Formats: sequence, C-alpha cells, structure tokens
Amino acid sequence: DAKTTQPNSMESNEEEPVHLPCNHSTISGTDYIHWYRQLPSQGPEYVIHGLTSNVNNRMASLAIAEDRKSSTLILHRATLRDAAVYYCILREDSGGSNYKLTFGKGTLLTVNP
Amino acid sequence: NAGVTQTPKFRILKIGQSMTLQCTQDMNHNYMYWYRQDPGMGLKLIYYSVGAGITDKGEVPNGYNVSRSTTEDFPLRLELAAPSQTSVYFCASSLGHATTYNEQFFGPGTRLTVL
Repeated sequence: DAKTTQPNSMESNEEEPVHLPCNHSTISGTDYIHWYRQLPSQGPEYVIHGLTSNVNNRMASLAIAEDRKSSTLILHRATLRDAAVYYCILREDSGGSNYKLTFGKGTLLTVNP
Repeated sequence: NAGVTQTPKFRILKIGQSMTLQCTQDMNHNYMYWYRQDPGMGLKLIYYSVGAGITDKGEVPNGYNVSRSTTEDFPLRLELAAPSQTSVYFCASSLGHATTYNEQFFGPGTRLTVL
C-alpha cells in the first residue's frame, strides 16, 4: 500500500496562512491525493483532493509537487475553527470500484488566538 | 438531508454481550463503510459495501459482522464484545461511481466501551 508521512503536530496563529506537508514517495501514477480533517469529537470531513495539478476550493488549496512525491495543504487564513487533525490520504483504486481510504495518524493543527 | 446518522451515540457493554450499531444515509449513496478509531490513532476500516447485498472485509474485520439489505442502511454487529473493541465507530458513505470525486461523508460516531 502506498503510504503517507505527515508531521505529528503543527502550530499556527489565527489569520495567518498554514502549510501542512505530506510526503508520499511511493505514490503510483493512478493514486489520487485526498485530504480530510477531523474536528474534535466529530467524524472526518472531506477537504480537497487532486491528482497532478494544484487545486483550489472554498476550504483550502492543494499544491502537488511535479514528481508527485509530496503535497502541501494550504489554509490561507487559519481560524480557530480550523484546529483539527488533518489527514493526507492516497486513494487506492484496488480494481473494480473499490475506493478505499487508508487513514494514518495525521497532523494535529493547533491555532493560537 | 440528514446525511449519515448513527445510533446510539454512546453505549457501555459487558464482555460477551452483543449489539448492533445502526447507520443510515439518505443521500442515495452506493458505497458505505464502517471504521473504528482508537484513542490517538487514525481510522481503520472494518467493513465496506459497494451496494445492497454486497459487503467486503476491510483492515480489521475480526469480531464484527455486517449486512446491507437496503441502499440506506448498513448495520454493524458485534457478537461477543471484548475490551479490545472499546473504540469510537464511524460510519461513512460515498457516491461510489467510477469518478475521481468520491468524497466520503461521515456520521457523528458511536462511542463504545466494553467492560
């Protein structure tokens, strides 16, 4: 299984940008990079995903390295509500239509007021 | 839409008891999943289903059973509860078509303690 490596924790100040890194050196050509986050005492929620090109949505931006061995989730202006565990996940298409996600421990983001 | 709902929110079981965790989604999603999350850890996939009548094992299926008789419901059964099954259980669903966009929507979780 293709794996990801993330820092255990990061800190940011409110209203500052946050760059959350993820290494996935064994990524295969068909693996999509997904990011989910889990707010305290809640289930995970989808943030963003991409394959090769950088992606933007209302929540965040995803910057993908040219060799696809790493990616960075960018929160442009962190708020206290962004404090959560952020998971970088490679979506494995294991044949047929089995879209399984394998969650690691993620990065615990603390946002300081 | 209520999204993905799970019942109960909390439950305490004695060793050897059995119970069913309920999960329902109203988004007409084909795919449904059960995960468990132990303290300080990421989620681990227990079972998943790609449609009514079809289920398959995930990473940690031992001690659990599932069924999928309708598109909406995906109950998880614990037959002989053990302390190692103390965890938070999340149900999720996704559209599941052959597309790049397969966002999983998660329920609020069931916190289970086995004593």
